[in-house]
Amino acid sequence: GAGVSQSPRYKVAKRGQDVALRCDPISGHVSLFWYQQALGQGPEFLTYFQNEAQLDKSGLPSDRFFAERPEGSVSTLKIQRTQQEDSAVYLCASSTLQGAGKKAFFGQGTRLTVV
Amino acid sequence: SQQGEEDPQALSIQEGENATMNCSYKTSINNLQWYRQNSGRGLVHLILIRSNEREKHSGRLRVTLDTSKKSSSLLITASRAADTASYFCATVNLYGNNRLAFGKGNQVVVIP
Repeated sequence: GAGVSQSPRYKVAKRGQDVALRCDPISGHVSLFWYQQALGQGPEFLTYFQNEAQLDKSGLPSDRFFAERPEGSVSTLKIQRTQQEDSAVYLCASSTLQGAGKKAFFGQGTRLTVV
Repeated sequence: SQQGEEDPQALSIQEGENATMNCSYKTSINNLQWYRQNSGRGLVHLILIRSNEREKHSGRLRVTLDTSKKSSSLLITASRAADTASYFCATVNLYGNNRLAFGKGNQVVVIP
């Protein structure tokens, strides 16, 4: 596609509800990242995929957070039993190859509000 | 935890003036990148500078990197109202981890 696409753009969840956030990376991009951005803060790393392999999940804040990329393209970030502190913008980014010198292309994010 | 730290965090300037933002980091890096974020939108990559580079230009942007001081600066020359946004620096560390470590960001307002 032309860019990284995320859906939904906005999600309101009741506390305790499960949510699933989708990311469509740029076609052919091997690397995919998820970040969490709280209001007024910079993005914080959550997890990293190279193709379908989840190589780094050290940023996931709890075992309620789970991410997958089963076919090496589309990725889903799932949050179980949402809490108010999960309210944030969730950003997905993709890049070519696995080199550290590659710039990342970001989607517009999903704004999650837990009420 | 955030690695980069930008200073100052809020900047208000007149159109046509230059805007300068600074960033510091703590670890050894492969490269440092600057991103722009308009309100409610995703981040847009502006410029990447590698650890063996000291200065880089792209259009009205000038980035410097001082690895001995672990700091970088972003200069936007002849600012425009459309430059109003938040600007983040992000580092990629040296030791095989591809993730970006972002700072808190600078809010820049350019007054027409």
